[in-house]
Amino acid sequence: GENVEQHPSTLSVQEGDSAVIKCTYSDSASNYFPWYKQELGKGPQLIIDIRSNVGEKKDQRIAVTLNKTAKHFSLHITETQPEDSAVYFCAARSSGLTGGGNKLTFGTGTQLKVEL
Amino acid sequence: DSGVTQTPKHLITATGQRVTLRCSPRSGDLSVYWYQQSLDQGLQFLIQYYNGEERAKGNILERFSAQQFPDLHSELNLSSLELGDSALYFCASSVVGQGVADTQYFGPGTRLTVL
Repeated sequence: GENVEQHPSTLSVQEGDSAVIKCTYSDSASNYFPWYKQELGKGPQLIIDIRSNVGEKKDQRIAVTLNKTAKHFSLHITETQPEDSAVYFCAARSSGLTGGGNKLTFGTGTQLKVEL
Repeated sequence: DSGVTQTPKHLITATGQRVTLRCSPRSGDLSVYWYQQSLDQGLQFLIQYYNGEERAKGNILERFSAQQFPDLHSELNLSSLELGDSALYFCASSVVGQGVADTQYFGPGTRLTVL
């Protein structure tokens, strides 16, 4: 089955700096890669996603890049703000599921702390 | 607010007991997913339903079962509870969830504590 590794587990940056979180996946059939932000006491919230036919996607201060050959994808947050502090999860969805299911395999999460 | 609702928010029970967690998907979504989040296992996929039928299964224990009703809400039943079942249980929903990778929206979760 799919395996997703995520690094680093914790990341501390100064306000205004950039933050980069990296993930690798094992299943070459994976075709969808969402990123979720989870604040304390809340459910994961989708912040950006990318499909396997796209190499990069940007939404304001957030961007995601995908390297299918190397099987890794990264989240980039620019001009970080204190409200960006949260746990971020990457995930991968394999297209090879029997019955057409839509299971996501998650990374282990990155605790991002943006310091003033 | 994702539009996915879960009840109850918190649940405290004893070992050996049985509980039911409830989820209502976003309006128009046909697929419901259940995930378990624990400190040592992270976010783990349990099971997916699409329009009332089981669509995909993860590492769901035999003591756990789920169903999706005609009105598309779903229930996750956990029985013979053990201390290790203490976790956050999230429900997510998506429009289709069959054959295409559509966005999953997560609910606020149910925190289960087994004493």
